[in-house]
Amino acid sequence: DSGVTQTPKHLITATGQRVTLRCSPRSGDLSVYWYQQSLDQGLQFLIQYYNGEERAKGNILERFSAQQFPDLHSELNLSSLELGDSALYFCASSLTADRGEAGIMNTEAFFGQGTRLTVV
Amino acid sequence: AQKITQTQPGMFVQEKEAVTLDCTYDTSDPSYGLFWYKQPSSGEMIFLIYQGSYDQQNATEGRYSLNFQKARKSANLVISASQLGDSAMYFCAMREGGSQGNLIFGKGTKLSVKP
Repeated sequence: DSGVTQTPKHLITATGQRVTLRCSPRSGDLSVYWYQQSLDQGLQFLIQYYNGEERAKGNILERFSAQQFPDLHSELNLSSLELGDSALYFCASSLTADRGEAGIMNTEAFFGQGTRLTVV
Repeated sequence: AQKITQTQPGMFVQEKEAVTLDCTYDTSDPSYGLFWYKQPSSGEMIFLIYQGSYDQQNATEGRYSLNFQKARKSANLVISASQLGDSAMYFCAMREGGSQGNLIFGKGTKLSVKP
């Protein structure tokens, strides 16, 4: 058990709908990352939050948004869903990710079990 | 250009044999970290091993070792004494020093261990 909790584990929804994926990081971890794993694109970084603030953006669509709350849990909102959004969505957490702190490069990211989203 | 390249989509290995999974990377950042993750069919991502760009010695964790060749920009994972439970997807990933800490993943290698 990585200590990162993602809900729900599975989600089936129709095109055009909106869903919210939830992530609770490991106790003490301030940084949350969202990744999308699809068959054609592989594992792609979407967005990162650190202590409530957005820190980095990857290949995240404008239809997608995220936030991190004061208790450090995070939510990924996916709207106007398309068939191609079907994927496994991972949340990962790590202790810190401040810019320039090469000393913490070995901070591993602990992954949740993922939410499998199917858009029909 | 791809930052992480895993050239072996699939590999087979006999139980109890050793296997090497290839990974090459591309970065101009002098400070970076390299990671290997295992993803079994159940889907979770399991951290295996880490190698820092300034580390002088190759990383080892139990049956896993990382063959780090900095000049060639390769970070191959070696699994010794393969077990049936090693059958899974294996992902190589990199974190660059100038980034906020997100991982860049390769496309993965599917390892199948034969009894």
